[in-house]
Amino acid sequence: GAVVSQHPSRVICKSGTSVKIECRSLDFQATTMFWYRQFPKQSLMLMATSNEGSKATYEQGVEKDKFLINHASLTLSTLTVTSAHPEDSSFYICSARPGAGANTGELFFGEGSRLTVL
Amino acid sequence: AQSVAQPEDQVNVAEGNPLTVKCTYSVSGNPYLFWYVQYPNRGLQFLLKYITGDNLVKGSYGFEAEFNKSQTSFHLKKPSALVSDSALYFCAVRDYYNTDKLIFGTGTRLQVFP
Repeated sequence: GAVVSQHPSRVICKSGTSVKIECRSLDFQATTMFWYRQFPKQSLMLMATSNEGSKATYEQGVEKDKFLINHASLTLSTLTVTSAHPEDSSFYICSARPGAGANTGELFFGEGSRLTVL
Repeated sequence: AQSVAQPEDQVNVAEGNPLTVKCTYSVSGNPYLFWYVQYPNRGLQFLLKYITGDNLVKGSYGFEAEFNKSQTSFHLKKPSALVSDSALYFCAVRDYYNTDKLIFGTGTRLQVFP
């Protein structure tokens, strides 16, 4: 199956700093990528849909100025958590779908990034 | 509203026994259904999907799922559980109104005991 790489896998930062997480599709082009947040022992919460060459679409309740998303190429989307605070500590997961062919809905996920804000 | 329900937070099963992880859904139109597995501190791995056709779908690692339209269910099954199957399992359905999106259940933790 298609491979999605996410980096870094773990990051610890001080409160008030910004952190960037990268999501790359390694063997396919992805016009659309998705960013999820997962709280301990809970399901995935879709934060935003990242569209190559245009603005991301944020889900209700997600602060777009807090979670900056850039999808500058067909293989790379980045999520920047700005002015991070301890409550932003979470597991962030990206996913993508190969752009070609019928949309049967199958997504490929990155390995996730665990953010800890001190 | 569209939704996916996984009624069990945790399922415990002895190694070698059959396992079932339950999932029911509510969605407009014909459902596109998926199962994913998540190991600790890892992303999700695709197991199988139902789009159309045979109600019994076979997937990775010996897992299968049965689509039941009348019961709006898509239970995940495996004839003989392995300790290595212990993980968090998510059922998902494609959003009818936004086909780019998947709606996930809350997850079921499967614990297989030796």
